[in-house]
Amino acid sequence: GIQVEQSPPDLILQEGANSTLRCNFSDSVNNLQWFHQNPWGQLINLFYIPSGTKQNGRLSATTVATERYSLLYISSSQTTDSGVYFCAVPYSGGGADGLTFGKGTHLIIQP
Amino acid sequence: SQTIHQWPATLVQPVGSPLSLECTVEGTSNPNLYWYRQAAGRGLQLLFYSVGIGQISSEVPQNLSASRPQDRQFILSSKKLLLSDSGFYLCAWSSGGELFFGEGSRLTVL
Repeated sequence: GIQVEQSPPDLILQEGANSTLRCNFSDSVNNLQWFHQNPWGQLINLFYIPSGTKQNGRLSATTVATERYSLLYISSSQTTDSGVYFCAVPYSGGGADGLTFGKGTHLIIQP
Repeated sequence: SQTIHQWPATLVQPVGSPLSLECTVEGTSNPNLYWYRQAAGRGLQLLFYSVGIGQISSEVPQNLSASRPQDRQFILSSKKLLLSDSGFYLCAWSSGGELFFGEGSRLTVL
């Protein structure tokens, strides 16, 4: 099946810093999502981005489908950005059988 | 708008006891539904998915089962829990390929 690799696995930054999280996947996809899991375990949808670039406030994401990677940018980090960031792609082309997840990037923003 | 709810939020059960986690979706019809598990650490593993009433597909063999008795209801069950069933269970639904998660149910098996 398709493999999803995220880097770095852990990242510790000071408040106000910028960061780039990477997601590589092993096969062509027609869907890619970024999630943020907060300290209470809730998975929050950040971006649905099969290709191109999207921005939402301090966060933006870029997916280059032809090169099989996606990047999540966080600017001017705040302590509330702490948590685990996951990217996920479909198990198969149709997508009805769900998404497979990377192992995540654990981000800690220190005040 | 669509919402998804699952319960209970927290559960502590002895080994060998049964389990029932319930998930319901509101505001949509005929959704694809999913159960994921997140064990210690942070990976999410797909357990079951359903594209319609009574249609269940399992991704991994395990001590758990799933049922979909109604269009917007998805239930995760076990007849006898094992220690290894402990974890964080997440229900999800999809629309146009985008996945949305419920609040999760934290299960501890002692």
